[in-house]
Amino acid sequence: AQSVTQPDIHITVSEGASLELRCNYSYGATPYLFWYVQSPGQGLQLLLKYFSGDTLVQGIKGFEAEFKRSQSSFNLRKPSVHWSDAAEYFCAVIGVTGTASKLTFGTGTRLQVTL
Amino acid sequence: EAQVTQNPRYLITVTGKKLTVTCSQNMNHEYMSWYRQDPGLGLRQIYYSMNVEVTDKGDVPEGYKVSRKEKRNFPLILESPSPNQTSLYFCASSSLGGSGANVLTFGAGSRLTVL
Repeated sequence: AQSVTQPDIHITVSEGASLELRCNYSYGATPYLFWYVQSPGQGLQLLLKYFSGDTLVQGIKGFEAEFKRSQSSFNLRKPSVHWSDAAEYFCAVIGVTGTASKLTFGTGTRLQVTL
Repeated sequence: EAQVTQNPRYLITVTGKKLTVTCSQNMNHEYMSWYRQDPGLGLRQIYYSMNVEVTDKGDVPEGYKVSRKEKRNFPLILESPSPNQTSLYFCASSSLGGSGANVLTFGAGSRLTVL
């Protein structure tokens, strides 16, 4: 069965500092990978996705993620964090032959940004 | 504006009093799904629907019902709510083909408290 692990429950960074959120997945074949962000009181919004091609994926709000098959990882990065980035971040995976019904989410990483 | 609309956003009810959370999307998406979000557990799928009149159980279907009589609507029904159904609920939809396939659009969430 596929699974997603986000090892960090909570991360605090200073505004302007760089950020890396970790995501490891377990899946027997080629995965589709997603990062979603949930701002306080709101639903989840897609940040970026990896389906195929270039393993470095650019998303909205200045975020990027790199797919590393050898490490089964899809870590999210941002060079300089803004206070408005404080939110909860979810990594998710499905197989290339799957549909959204098989999407598996990690348990999330809550990001706090200090000024 | 493309969106998923859930109502009510907040609800406090008592054990055993039937309630319905409505979900409507305006993107002509085939796929719709309900999730519940609980601290430390991430998002867990309750039910999903691949198209009109086609529904299936997710990971935590006990105590819930759904129906899909129209493509745009996917209500979540709690026939006899219990306190362990106190949670934050999200409806989501996606297309099953094209460039947006399997990319979920989420509603803003419905916070339900069962006393």
